[in-house]
Amino acid sequence: NAGVTQTPKFRILKIGQSMTLQCAQDMNHNYMYWYRQDPGMGLKLIYYSVGAGITDKGEVPNGYNVSRSTTEDFPLRLELAAPSQTSVYFCASSRETGANVLTFGAGSRLTVL
Amino acid sequence: GDSVTQMEGPVTLSEEAFLTINCTYTATGYPSLFWYVQYPGEGLQLLLKATKADDKGSNKGFEATYRKETTSFHLEKGSVQVSDSAVYFCALNSNTGNQFYFGTGTSLTVIP
Repeated sequence: NAGVTQTPKFRILKIGQSMTLQCAQDMNHNYMYWYRQDPGMGLKLIYYSVGAGITDKGEVPNGYNVSRSTTEDFPLRLELAAPSQTSVYFCASSRETGANVLTFGAGSRLTVL
Repeated sequence: GDSVTQMEGPVTLSEEAFLTINCTYTATGYPSLFWYVQYPGEGLQLLLKATKADDKGSNKGFEATYRKETTSFHLEKGSVQVSDSAVYFCALNSNTGNQFYFGTGTSLTVIP
């Protein structure tokens, strides 16, 4: 049982480059989330989705885009990477919201130089 | 808006010491409350949860009680082990929205 799979685990980008962080879950979860984790700042929500074809902004969406064409996949796109986007990114999913538990991926560490 | 405030770290304890990590919350209605743990190099994983007032969540010797009167969900363990060294996050979901809100995390190091 794979759970939530994120790729790549590590990536170094130059300023202005673009890339996509991949996230896939095999639990048939409706809800998917992208968070970034900065030292001492906890987790900040970037985007989330409540089902295929539906996405919404979280707390820190600027500089990112997402799509949800299938239930399983929720890629995060960084356009024109900036040093402020250096962070660890976590994808998570849950069957529903409320009392349902989030299942997290192992994270993707991105450095923008 | 909804938010979680948890104790600043880092916390360093000797093995077998008592642990408390404070967590208070602000939310409308009756949120569900969670503690997640993050071991080095890994993603977060659920430690315990409580979904209504006076519920006690417990797992692996850790406990937390949902106190609506003090809007708190403090994490406790009677005797910590070196393997408990990790970052602990308090979180809530308001049950009326689609988002989870996390505290800033508390780093715990347990020394032999």
